[in-house]
Formats: sequence, C-alpha cells, structure tokens
Amino acid sequence: GESVGLHLPTLSVQEGDNSIINCAYSNSASDYFIWYKQESGKGPQFIIDIRSNMDKRQGQRVTVLLNKTVKHLSLQIAATQPGDSAVYFCAESTGGGNKLTFGTGTQLKVEL
Amino acid sequence: KAGVTQTPRYLIKTRGQQVTLSCSPISGHRSVSWYQQTPGQGLQFLFEYFSETQRNKGNFPGRFSGRQFSNSRSEMNVSTLELGDSALYLCASSLWGSGRADTQYFGPGTRLTVL
Repeated sequence: GESVGLHLPTLSVQEGDNSIINCAYSNSASDYFIWYKQESGKGPQFIIDIRSNMDKRQGQRVTVLLNKTVKHLSLQIAATQPGDSAVYFCAESTGGGNKLTFGTGTQLKVEL
Repeated sequence: KAGVTQTPRYLIKTRGQQVTLSCSPISGHRSVSWYQQTPGQGLQFLFEYFSETQRNKGNFPGRFSGRQFSNSRSEMNVSTLELGDSALYLCASSLWGSGRADTQYFGPGTRLTVL
C-alpha cells in the first residue's frame, strides 16, 4: 500500500518577526546537536551546532538553545526573511561519532 | 572550496536491479556518511566511512553497502532493488570521523526511483 508521509509541523511567521523552532530529543547521552535547513530539491544546509557542554550558541541571525534537563533544543531566527522559508531539522549524535539521528522536521513559512 | 558533489543526480531503475551512487567530499574531509531520506521515514543514517573503513552502520539490510577510496571519495551500492528503496540518497562529509562529532556538510543528493 501507499506509505504515509511524516506529518511536518508548520510554523508560519510574518516577515521581520522572530521565529522559534523547537525540537525534543530522547537520548540523554546525546552530546552533539546540529540544525539544518532544507529547501525543496536540495540537500540539508548546515545552520549551527552546539555541544552538550554549552547551553547557548549564537551565529548570524540564529541562536541555538540547549536544555539538557528536559532534553529540548530550540533554534531562534531573528528578523525572519522570505529566504528562510524551508524545512528545518534538528539532529543529534552520541559519543563523538558522526551518526546523526534526525528529527522529523518543521516547515517554516514566512508570510510577506 | 567546492562543496560535496554527488553523481548522478537522478536515477530510474527497475526492481531487482542494482545501483551505484557516488560521492566526492569537500577537499580535505576524510569522513563520508550516507543517509536515506523518504517521506515516510524521514532522514535515516546508512553508514559512515573514514580512512576507507566503515565506522558506523545504521539499521539497513545487507543489500545496502558502501566503500571509500584512498582519496576519500565514496560509493554506495544497493543490490536487488525494491520499490521501497525509492528515496533521496544524501552524502555528507566532515573533517574527522571519530572521537569528536564534527560538522557534516551535505551534498545535493541522488534521487533514486525504483519502478
């Protein structure tokens, strides 16, 4: 039969507003976290990463927050632009390896 | 610096056939990982190669295999194709492969369709 696609949560924001995309993880041993942006027809594009010995890391217009107590990760995008419209994935790895476990993704839609 | 390149970009095969996909990492990167992306399962890790050795493997059947060459280029092979193998196959490269998780940079992917 047909496979059912993953239901992607959608976040709609107005251009110029700040966006917050959330991600929950389950493995308390995860020690590396990374955010990717994927536009239609393209491979995932690296945005920002953070290791478990940090709570916050900032990049250009983006901030990642890590709360290990509740196993929660968030990506904040300041002054969201139309070019930010894409699917955003969080991913984690454990023990220094490069095996990434990805979340299901969030569709960000920026309205003009 | 050129990014990760994957060839071919699109492939159409029939059930039972086999396929080989190629990945050239960013210059200087020694680790190459492969992922499968489908609407139903999302992004799933297949395997990782570093210095021509498979370091990690995901939960895929033995029909999925790979290798890495001395210049860090990698290939993955899928034998006896099934309809469910239709997916976007993504390659990612990073500087190192062990001891410390490293930023992985993805290529554009190879879109495989199995008829």
